[in-house]
Amino acid sequence: GENVEQHPSTLSVQEGDSAVIKCTYSDSASNYFPWYKQELGKRPQLIIDIRSNVGEKKDQRIAVTLNKTAKHFSLHITETQPEDSAVYFCAASKSNTGKLIFGQGTTLQVKP
Amino acid sequence: EAGVAQSPRYKIIEKRQSVAFWCNPISGHATLYWYQQILGQGPKLLIQFQNNGVVDDSQLPKDRFSAERLKGVDSTLKIQPAKLEDSAVYLCASSSFAETQYFGPGTRLLVL
Repeated sequence: GENVEQHPSTLSVQEGDSAVIKCTYSDSASNYFPWYKQELGKRPQLIIDIRSNVGEKKDQRIAVTLNKTAKHFSLHITETQPEDSAVYFCAASKSNTGKLIFGQGTTLQVKP
Repeated sequence: EAGVAQSPRYKIIEKRQSVAFWCNPISGHATLYWYQQILGQGPKLLIQFQNNGVVDDSQLPKDRFSAERLKGVDSTLKIQPAKLEDSAVYLCASSSFAETQYFGPGTRLLVL
């Protein structure tokens, strides 16, 4: 069935360093890939998303890249700050359904 | 704009009891989703509504879970009878199209 694998499960970086989280999806018909940030006890918040007609998208310190051939996409956070510490989830869907399949999550810790 | 509202925020029940959760989506959003998020995992879709019709309920344990969305606005999710493994956060999300989903704060359920 549909599946999204996310790595690593935990990531610890020093403030100012970059962080990269990678996801692989199984359904080649997937064409929408959002990333959510979830702080402890809070709701998931959309931070960036990408559709399959583009290979990269940037928003300030956050970027997402997509490789449709390999069926993987990545989140890149540059100049990390302590407030970036949270759990990050990738997801994939087919736009005609809206159903999101989530990865297992990555706990990012940014050390001051 | 007001976000997705959910109540209650927390609920503790004994196994075999019943419980109901309520969700009010963002105004004008036709699509409503219920997700189950078990501790340490990504959200898993339970049911998706388009207006007041069910689009996908393939992962809803129908022997104990039920959901409805009367008049295409608010929705309720019910569990009867609850099991220990139902302990999780129940997230409601809504979208105006079948893509960008906005999540509510969730209901944290503990079954003893």
